[in-house]
Amino acid sequence: DQQVKQNSPSLSVQEGRISILNCDYTNSMFDYFLWYKKYPAEGPTFLISISSIKDKNEDGRFTVFLNKSAKHLSLHIVPSQPGDSAVYFCAASAALINYGQNFVFGPGTRLSVLP
Amino acid sequence: EAQVTQNPRYLITVTGKKLTVTCSQNMNHEYMSWYRQDPGLGLRQIYYSMNVEVTDKGDVPEGYKVSRKEKRNFPLILESPSPNQTSLYFCASSPMRIRPHEQFFGPGTRLTVL
Repeated sequence: DQQVKQNSPSLSVQEGRISILNCDYTNSMFDYFLWYKKYPAEGPTFLISISSIKDKNEDGRFTVFLNKSAKHLSLHIVPSQPGDSAVYFCAASAALINYGQNFVFGPGTRLSVLP
Repeated sequence: EAQVTQNPRYLITVTGKKLTVTCSQNMNHEYMSWYRQDPGLGLRQIYYSMNVEVTDKGDVPEGYKVSRKEKRNFPLILESPSPNQTSLYFCASSPMRIRPHEQFFGPGTRLTVL
């Protein structure tokens, strides 16, 4: 059973509009959440993160919202640009007893920003 | 340039022929990890390492081995590859003490096992 879910495999938005990517998780032990962006033939690149003690984190055009009670987070991109077209992975991490760090990724959402 | 490198980038092999995928980072990161990406499943963690000589299993470790003899290198070993290990593999590293959750990924290795 997937602990991190991204129920929308794809999303298309017009340039200049808002993109909202959603992510749900099941494990209440997750203490940190991240978004990664991936272009074809490249490795994922870190985009933005949020600690479980916060409900919002903003970095330029990117904002991540966390709703712990609903076990839901979302990534908002405003305004969307054609260069934002990529696959976006939601990820969650939990500190382990041996100070390790377990990362769990969702299946990804392909965002297409149309000019 | 700060980066994570993987070699080879593409590999086609046959069942049972041992192979090693190398991973190296030049950022002096303590944490390194291996993932596989499969359609509809996202990235799944295979093994990770907190530092030299410290490794642990991720979510899908079966059929893989790793070693961490030097801080910069974290090779992934498939002793007897099988077709279900055909996948896209990513190595990643992160500075655990400064930004533990921000992983830097390599470009990926596409492995096909016939």
